[in-house]
Amino acid sequence: AQTVTQSQPEMSVQEAETVTLSCTYDTSESDYYLFWYKQPPSRQMILVIRQEAYKQQNATENRFSVNFQKAAKSFSLKISDSQLGDAAMYFCAYRSAQGAQKLVFGQGTRLTINP
Amino acid sequence: DAGITQSPRHKVTETGTPVTLRCHQTENHRYMYWYRQDPGHGLRLIHYSYGVKDTDKGEVSDGYSVSRSKTEDFLLTLESATSSQTSVYFCATLLGGTGELFFGEGSRLTVL
Repeated sequence: AQTVTQSQPEMSVQEAETVTLSCTYDTSESDYYLFWYKQPPSRQMILVIRQEAYKQQNATENRFSVNFQKAAKSFSLKISDSQLGDAAMYFCAYRSAQGAQKLVFGQGTRLTINP
Repeated sequence: DAGITQSPRHKVTETGTPVTLRCHQTENHRYMYWYRQDPGHGLRLIHYSYGVKDTDKGEVSDGYSVSRSKTEDFLLTLESATSSQTSVYFCATLLGGTGELFFGEGSRLTVL
């Protein structure tokens, strides 16, 4: 079974600086999707960024980018120019490209932005 | 938004009582999921459905059952609630092609 590990329960960063959240996963599959979801205090789950495993190019969405290392099974999220609204729980998630389409989540990292 | 509505949003109940949570979607998505969220565990899959009357277990299915009689509705039932089932429950649907799950707003269940 696939597993996803986020080793940083909590992180903090100064406003306007850059922070990187770590995620590793374990799978024997070659084709899959990876995601970062944000959960603000409102509890709503919001997709931040997604990466297809067959793409070598790292995904980018405005201030959010990933460092996808397929061989190392690592999928970190970099947030540039951190803003107060970025404060949230961040979840890394894995989904196989075949089969039951289930999303497997990491434990989450709580990000605090210091003004 | 994928048009997902969960009800009730908040519920307090007593040990041993039955509880049903409802998820309603308006997007005609084939796949629907129930997750529970607990501190230190992230979101864990309880059950999922890949079509009407087609369901399967997730990693934490003990004590839960589901039903899907219509494409738009996916029900999660706790036959006899226990304190360990106190949690926040999320419904999600799968948007085909992109692989992205869309989530409802969550239902907070407290079992006393």
